[in-house]
Amino acid sequence: SSELTQDPAVSVALGQTVRITCQGDSLRSYYASWYQQKPGQAPVLVIYGKNNRPSGIPDRFSGSSSGNTASLTITGAQAEDEADYYCNSRDSSGNHLIFGTGTKVTVL
Amino acid sequence: QVQLQESGPGLVKPSQTLSLTCTVSGGSISSGGYYWSWIRQHPGKGLEWIGYIYYSGSTYYNPSLKSRVTISVDTSKNQFSLKLSSVTAADTAVYYCARVNPDFESDWFDPWGQGTLVTVSS
Repeated sequence: SSELTQDPAVSVALGQTVRITCQGDSLRSYYASWYQQKPGQAPVLVIYGKNNRPSGIPDRFSGSSSGNTASLTITGAQAEDEADYYCNSRDSSGNHLIFGTGTKVTVL
Repeated sequence: QVQLQESGPGLVKPSQTLSLTCTVSGGSISSGGYYWSWIRQHPGKGLEWIGYIYYSGSTYYNPSLKSRVTISVDTSKNQFSLKLSSVTAADTAVYYCARVNPDFESDWFDPWGQGTLVTVSS
């Protein structure tokens, strides 16, 4: 399969923990990277590789992977974390890049 | 740090060719080690990878767009470009350029340009 599937939407209470998942066959071979996108803005990388955060990304963001599923966890969600989140990886051929379908996170 | 900026017409007529340029500052495309990519996002929709190029000129394209896409690089200007031919209204989208950081087990897009909206309409 050359698809990455995400739940369309999740909600989390302020200060609680939310996990966003990304499923796809290629994730058995490649790690997912994760992006946060707020309305009207370009996506921002939040997690890459096994579980790496770019400079400036809070440590409440973490990544993990198991089998064909990658996860982005926000521990202690803040109001500013409300956004769309996308995963990306390679497809099964290894030559092309693909994005997940996206998850809208609402912080209640 | 490296910054990317898209430029090009915001309005393209149906059946014509969409042309965009991404100018890279703060780093050199020809230094190698990275791919340079185009991504688009239809209004209210998700992200779609279009393709990427290496400084040597090697390219990879999304199979669904391959017949209409050409990505090229001009290392002397530190720019790379996108051409999408035979456009229709379905090509109306925000187009982003981004640097791809390749790794054996992962790839990631960082940084991104701010994006430019291209509308296909007569």
